[in-house]
Amino acid sequence: TQLLEQSPQFLSIQEGENLTVYCNSSSVFSSLQWYRQEPGEGPVLLVTVVTGGEVKKLKRLTFQFGDARKDSSLHITAAQPGDTGLYLCAGASAGNNRKLIWGLGTSLAVNP
Amino acid sequence: DAGVIQSPRHEVTEMGQEVTLRCKPISGHNSLFWYRQTMMRGLELLIYFNNNVPIDDSGMPEDRFSAKMPNASFSTLKIQPSEPRDSAVYFCASSPGGTYTGELFFGEGSRLTVL
Repeated sequence: TQLLEQSPQFLSIQEGENLTVYCNSSSVFSSLQWYRQEPGEGPVLLVTVVTGGEVKKLKRLTFQFGDARKDSSLHITAAQPGDTGLYLCAGASAGNNRKLIWGLGTSLAVNP
Repeated sequence: DAGVIQSPRHEVTEMGQEVTLRCKPISGHNSLFWYRQTMMRGLELLIYFNNNVPIDDSGMPEDRFSAKMPNASFSTLKIQPSEPRDSAVYFCASSPGGTYTGELFFGEGSRLTVL
């Protein structure tokens, strides 16, 4: 069974701090998506990374796909309370069964 | 443009009762997914429709669960009879593409509590 492990599970920081969350697997993915989910809402896509080593930036958020396409990281610079939420990664399996494999998420709280 | 619309937002029912959750996908999207989210297991894919046809229902937990998509603008997920372990948030998501792995647009979810 393919697994996507996200770490840390919970993170509570002060406004203005930097942070990095991780999404790791032993499996290779053809692409990987990052979503943010706010309380009481559905996940919203932030970015999709496709190429090994790819780096994408979305304002203060930087996403990187590992060279071997087995892992990914999300770095947030100068976190703000509006960044609070559950960050989920989802990998598209590279084999014939091209389903999305979901991590359990990192719950981030940014305190003012 | 309207997003994915789900109803009801909250449902509290007693064990053994029938539960029907409803979803209206984004117009023009070819794919529709039903997911279940719990703290312990995260997001689990229950069933995937493409062009109103069920493609993969391997995630449906058991015969108590059924899903239909009678047309491109409506889908239902039914649980009969419901059990306490079915308590979760159920999400409907649609996607413009015809694959499992395109961008998903989620509804706000239906929070189900079975007593």
